[in-house]
Amino acid sequence: AQKITQTQPGMFVQEKEAVTLDCTYDTSDQSYGLFWYKQPSSGEMIFLIYQGSYDEQNATEGRYSLNFQKARKSANLVISASQLGDSAMYFCAMREGPGSQGNLIFGKGTKLSVKP
Amino acid sequence: GAVVSQHPSWVICKSGTSVKIECRSLDFQATTMFWYRQFPKQSLMLMATSNEGSKATYEQGVEKDKFLINHASLTLSTLTVTSAHPEDSSFYICSARGTYEQYFGPGTRLTVT
Repeated sequence: AQKITQTQPGMFVQEKEAVTLDCTYDTSDQSYGLFWYKQPSSGEMIFLIYQGSYDEQNATEGRYSLNFQKARKSANLVISASQLGDSAMYFCAMREGPGSQGNLIFGKGTKLSVKP
Repeated sequence: GAVVSQHPSWVICKSGTSVKIECRSLDFQATTMFWYRQFPKQSLMLMATSNEGSKATYEQGVEKDKFLINHASLTLSTLTVTSAHPEDSSFYICSARGTYEQYFGPGTRLTVT
């Protein structure tokens, strides 16, 4: 079974609108971390946001927020006020185990296109 | 935020030659570094995990004799693709682990002709 599932291969959003990128995960660990990365056409993986499994509040970083629904095992990324520069691939990832143990497991990604 | 550099950013080499890619963590010490490979329009595939001062741990299906990894210091890891072939052409990305974050280098695009 896939550990990280991103069901949206591609998404379109109008500039200045908000968009939600879906991510569900599968783990039996109690301690894990969830990550979102942005990969523009240049190829660089840019760290956006992190949510720990024990964090009670949803993580936020500027225009990015992570909608963490633990019972549903979902960790959707919400981008508010989309900008043209947000057009990129977005990867959800998970690290299982406590602290910094374990490797990152990536989803297949969602290609976001922001329309002017 | 933390920065990871990678050099070179792109390289073209002839089949049969070896290529070395360097990965440096610029403002933090990384006891663990990772090497990934990414094919076009696909996700990242973990190749190996390297810990400073010890042998790298390779993922299943990755040839350790072909992809030599050296983690000589807390800020430097190198990946050497030995006897490169056209099928080794890919985007190689290194990553360094911080406290809980994991930062990625800008990647190296390798083309083997």
